[in-house]
Amino acid sequence: NAGVTQTPKFQVLKTGQSMTLQCAQDMNHNSMYWYRQDPGMGLRLIYYSASEGTTDKGEVPNGYNVSRLNKREFSLRLESAAPSQTSVYFCASSRDSSTEAFFGQGTRLTVV
Amino acid sequence: QQQVKQSPQSLIVQKGGISIINCAYENTAFDYFPWYQQFPGKGPALLIAIRPDVSEKKEGRFTISFNKSAKQFSLHIMDSQPGDSATYFCAATSSGTYKYIFGTGTRLKVLA
Repeated sequence: NAGVTQTPKFQVLKTGQSMTLQCAQDMNHNSMYWYRQDPGMGLRLIYYSASEGTTDKGEVPNGYNVSRLNKREFSLRLESAAPSQTSVYFCASSRDSSTEAFFGQGTRLTVV
Repeated sequence: QQQVKQSPQSLIVQKGGISIINCAYENTAFDYFPWYQQFPGKGPALLIAIRPDVSEKKEGRFTISFNKSAKQFSLHIMDSQPGDSATYFCAATSSGTYKYIFGTGTRLKVLA
């Protein structure tokens, strides 16, 4: 039972490069999320998808775009990476709001 | 109003001792309060959660105490073990919002 799978696990980008972080869940969850984790700041919501076909901005959406490809997959795209986007990114999913969120293993992204 | 304030930032406890982590919130619409445990290099994993209709929930050595009038909730780890050494995050959310608000985390170290 894989749960939430993120790829890649590590990535180094140069400023201005673009990339897409992939996330897939196999729990038939309706809702999916992208968070970033920075030292001393906890986890901050970037974007979320309450259900297939919908996406909404979270707390820190600037510089990011998302796509809910289908019920299983939710991708995060950085169009023009900046050093301020150096962080650990976590994808999560939940059956619905106010229910347990399951997290992936994270993607450690460094922008130089 | 959306913040969840967590303290302390770090905690050192002797093996067998009690670890206590506190969180406070402002938004009275929050109706789900989970605690997550995160080991280095891993994603957060749900430890225990509570809803505001109960004042305490216990699972093994882990207990959540919830004070609705004070808008505070805390995690107690009884008989703390070195294997409990991790970062703990409190969180809060409300039905229909899909936005989990996380505290800034507490790094717990249990000395053998």
